[in-house]
Amino acid sequence: GAVVSQHPSRVICKSGTSVKIECRSLDFQATTMFWYRQFPKQSLMLMATSNEGSKATYEQGVEKDKFLINHASLTLSTLTVTSAHPEDSSFYICSAWGTEETQYFGPGTRLLVL
Amino acid sequence: RKEVEQDPGPFNVPEGATVAFNCTYSNSASQSFFWYRQDCRKEPKLLMSVYSSGNEDGRFTAQLNRASQYISLLIRDSKLSDSATYLCVVNIWTGNQFYFGTGTSLTVIP
Repeated sequence: GAVVSQHPSRVICKSGTSVKIECRSLDFQATTMFWYRQFPKQSLMLMATSNEGSKATYEQGVEKDKFLINHASLTLSTLTVTSAHPEDSSFYICSAWGTEETQYFGPGTRLLVL
Repeated sequence: RKEVEQDPGPFNVPEGATVAFNCTYSNSASQSFFWYRQDCRKEPKLLMSVYSSGNEDGRFTAQLNRASQYISLLIRDSKLSDSATYLCVVNIWTGNQFYFGTGTSLTVIP
């Protein structure tokens, strides 16, 4: 299957700081990437759809000014959590379309905001 | 009503047992269906796509019933390594929407 990487795998930061998470498709070009958040014992919740060269589409209830998404190339999308607060602590996962017309997920980023 | 509904379980079965999971979806425009497996604290990984004719991959069999709007996953001869959460995923091509079930937890007991 297609390979998607994420960096960093885990990050601990102080409240009020910003954190950038990178999502890369390693062996294919991805015009569309997705960003999800998963709280413990819950399913994935789609935050936004990231489109290369255009603005991201955010799901209802997700603040676009707080979760900045940039999809500057066909292999890289970034999610920046601005002014992070403890309630933003979560598992953030990106995905990209691969072959088989489905998504392949990155390994996820665990964010802990103190 | 949720787009995709799954019984969260947990399912605790002995090794060698056969276990089946069902998942229902509400949108009849749904066009692609998948089962993902997610291990604890890891990302979901594609287990198998689900086709109208049903498909099998080793011990795993997936079925789709469009009339009743449900998909199923059957695991035969359960192994300890099958212990995970199984996510049902539905894709609606229009708008490129993916909808995830909450997952069904399976624990295979020695």
